Parts: sequence; structure tokens; C-alpha cells
Amino acid sequence: ETGVTQSPTHLIKTRGQQVTLRCSSQSGHNTVSWYQQALGQGPQFIFQYYREEENGRGNFPPRFSGLQFPNYSSELNVNALELDDSALYLCASSPDPPYGYTFGSGTRLTVV
Amino acid sequence: DQQVKQNSPSLSVQEGRISILNCDYTNSMFDYFLWYKKYPAEGPTFLISISSIKDKNEDGRFTVFLNKSAKHLSLHIVPSQPGDSAVYFCAALIKAAGNKLTFGGGTRVLVKP
Repeated sequence: ETGVTQSPTHLIKTRGQQVTLRCSSQSGHNTVSWYQQALGQGPQFIFQYYREEENGRGNFPPRFSGLQFPNYSSELNVNALELDDSALYLCASSPDPPYGYTFGSGTRLTVV
Repeated sequence: DQQVKQNSPSLSVQEGRISILNCDYTNSMFDYFLWYKKYPAEGPTFLISISSIKDKNEDGRFTVFLNKSAKHLSLHIVPSQPGDSAVYFCAALIKAAGNKLTFGGGTRVLVKP
């Protein structure tokens, strides 16, 4: 399998709800990172996993959590959604940073 | 505190001419810099990168210049083509800090036929 696939592409949630976003990476891509891109801004690093262990975290609260699975898929979970969580969420994977980060097309989350 | 800044939110250029995109950074620990291109409804795609020990890297129509003393880098696209119309992001990383990418805010480029 080639490329990085994210699902769903669009999602509308209500404030206070919980959401799970999914990412499927290429085989052999042991590193996966998640980014949040607010409208008109550059992507902001949320966290990174390497071989199913979190090995880096940006300035995001604990209600943002993640998982990476042995089959090169991963999840981003956000609890207690806030209006400011509305953004494009990007997943990026790599077999060997920094050259090879491949981004998915993202999930557009709208919190109302 | 924005460690990577792209001060020009947009750029318009005629087809065939040069596009110059600028990026400034504040963290002297950055040791690798990358440029990404993003079309609407797609994820960013890697364009070109440069190590902090170099001052120039070229790949086809794309050249990145790094001025470490000024903490400034630029991306030159020559010649510009209509397909280059997209948002361009500058990003930087510290290899010892886990390779997380710190992005600038992006520059929207429009290449006019």
C-alpha cells in the first residue's frame, strides 16, 4: 500500500463531544506524526509516535491523545471538543525522517 | 512565539518569471529546513530541503538558499508555471529533538498565464 490515507475526510461534531480520527500509513513507516492546521495558518505539531510509543509532543492539552498500531495505522483522539478545535488534522508518516515525511490529505473537523 | 515566519501571505507572478518565497526563523538550533507545497484538499507534499551546513540546494526548477547568519532562507522557482499555484510552507526541524516539523504560516502563490 502506498501513500497515507486519512478518514473521515470531513466531520462535524458538537462542543463537548469526543472524536477519533484515523490514519493508515505505508508499510515500513515506523514514524507517524499528527498536525493541526487552523484556517490561514501553518500546521502545528501535536505529537509523534515511533513503533507504537509516543516520542514527542507539542503544546497541546492532554485531551489530545493518540495511538499507533503494529499494522502502521494510527488514531488521534480528542476529548471534550472545543470550538477552537475546528481545523484540518494532518497525519504524516516516514520510514526515516527527515527526508521522507508523507502527508495524508487530512480530516476537516468542524466543532459547532 | 512563532519560530518560523513567512511574512508574505501571498505572491503573484507571471508565468515564466521567477518566484521568490522567503522564510525567517529564530531558533538557531534548527539543523534542517524543508519546503512543502499544498494544493486545496490535499496534504502538503515535500519539495526540497537543505541542511544547516549548506547554503544552497538545487533540484530542477527549485533552489533553496540558506543564510544562517541572517536566519533566513528562500525558495526560488524558475521558471514559474501555472501548476505551481499553491500554498508553500517553510518548515524546520531539530534532528536531536525527534524531527518534529515547525511550520511557517505559508505563502499563497498565484502564477498567471
